[in-house]
Amino acid sequence: AQRVTQPEKLLSVFKGAPVELKCNYSYSGSPELFWYVQYSRQRLQLLLRHISRESIKGFTADLNKGETSFHLKKPFAQEEDSAMYYCALRGNSGNTPLVFGKGTRLSVIA
Amino acid sequence: GAVVSQHPSWVICKSGTSVKIECRSLDFQATTMFWYRQFPKQSLMLMATSNEGSKATYEQGVEKDKFLINHASLTLSTLTVTSAHPEDSSFYICSAIFSSSGNTIYFGEGSWLTVV
Repeated sequence: AQRVTQPEKLLSVFKGAPVELKCNYSYSGSPELFWYVQYSRQRLQLLLRHISRESIKGFTADLNKGETSFHLKKPFAQEEDSAMYYCALRGNSGNTPLVFGKGTRLSVIA
Repeated sequence: GAVVSQHPSWVICKSGTSVKIECRSLDFQATTMFWYRQFPKQSLMLMATSNEGSKATYEQGVEKDKFLINHASLTLSTLTVTSAHPEDSSFYICSAIFSSSGNTIYFGEGSWLTVV
C-alpha cells in the first residue's frame, strides 16, 4: 500500500534556525517523491521533486531509500517560509496521482 | 509555468441541488486530471482520476453517481456534486498532468463548497 507519513502537524522554529520537516513513505517499488508548499490563501505549489536534486528557496530534500525517508531541510529559516508543507509520492509509470501526507504547518517566529 | 484554473472559487448551494465545478488547464493540454477533496486541517484525499474521452476512475468509497466527473476536452474537466448535502461541504481541488514538463502535476486554486 502507498502511504506518506508526516509525523509533525506543527513545527515552530525561530528565524535563522535550521528546519527539518520529516517525511517517511511506504511503497512497493520506486516512487517519485515530492514536496509541495501551500502559502496562506494560495494554491499548492511544487517545491521539490527528488529526481531534480535541486534546491529551491534554500530547501533541499534527499531521498533515503534505506530509511524510506524524504525529509525537507533548510539551514536558516525565514519568516516567509511559514506555510503548510505536504510530502507526496506517486508511482513512476506516467499518469498516476499523487498520494499526500497529512501535512506539516511550519511557523517561523521572528 | 503551467496554469490550472478552477471556477468557481467558492459556491454556496441549497441541500438537494447540484453544483458544477470546472477545472481548466489554461496553457497546456491535459489528458489526465485528478480531483481531490480536503477537509479543514486535513490532507488532500484523492477522489478520482479524470481521463479525457473516457470514464473517470473513482477511488474506493467515493460515490460515482454523486460526484459526476466529465473530461470532454483536453483542457476541461468538470466535477458535479449532485443532490448536495451539508456533509459534502468541503474544499475541492483539481490538478492536471503537464506531460511536456516531465509529467509535473499542477494544481488549481481550489473551490470551496458550502451546502446549506
